[in-house]
Amino acid sequence: QVQLKESGPGLVQPSETLSLTCTVSGFSLTSYSVSWVRQPSGKGPEWMGRMWYDGDTAYNSALKSRLSISRDTSKNQVFLKMNSLQTDDTGTYYCTRDRPLTTVATPFDYWGQGVMVTVSS
Amino acid sequence: DVQMTQSPSYLAASPGESVSISCKASKSINTYLAWYQEKPGKTNKLLIYSGSTLQSGTPSRFSGSGSGTDFTLTIRSLEPEDFAVYYCQQHNEYPLTFGSGTKLEIK
Repeated sequence: QVQLKESGPGLVQPSETLSLTCTVSGFSLTSYSVSWVRQPSGKGPEWMGRMWYDGDTAYNSALKSRLSISRDTSKNQVFLKMNSLQTDDTGTYYCTRDRPLTTVATPFDYWGQGVMVTVSS
Repeated sequence: DVQMTQSPSYLAASPGESVSISCKASKSINTYLAWYQEKPGKTNKLLIYSGSTLQSGTPSRFSGSGSGTDFTLTIRSLEPEDFAVYYCQQHNEYPLTFGSGTKLEIK
């Protein structure tokens, strides 16, 4: 069945770089796009960016200068790197599978469990 | 960016009742609105997309309606497993944006 699992450090120092990995199973990264979504505690989710099935990327303009998304299709993994972290980057980070639609912008039909990231010294 | 405003932020109801949650967009998103359910210990679940299309596996007691800027999620005859947090999300344009959530609790 379709599964996504995030992994990465739970604690990051301010100004440092966050590196997260999303390992997927049950589908191919060359057939489905994968997004990263984060959620500060007590707030709504925020879409961060997307790795398209064809290898292209799209980013939320609010994060674009700090964010990079890449993948390794042989390992079924999608990576997130975000630099210059601050305390307001604290939250739960999810990877999601994009539900294919005929529209360019799509919702998410599967989510990972999420990984909690705390930015603190 | 399209701002999504959900209301109420908190809702208490009893099993068997029907409830509605509102989601308003800051500009027209056509019919491209999704609803998700969040429960502790479970992954988020896509319930409805494109305003009113039920995702496979979503019970028929859930329904979505609306277009343009105003949307509604209705749950008829609440079951115990429906008590959760619900989020709306527009999928009309980038960046994709979410509402701040509605917590549905048992009265």
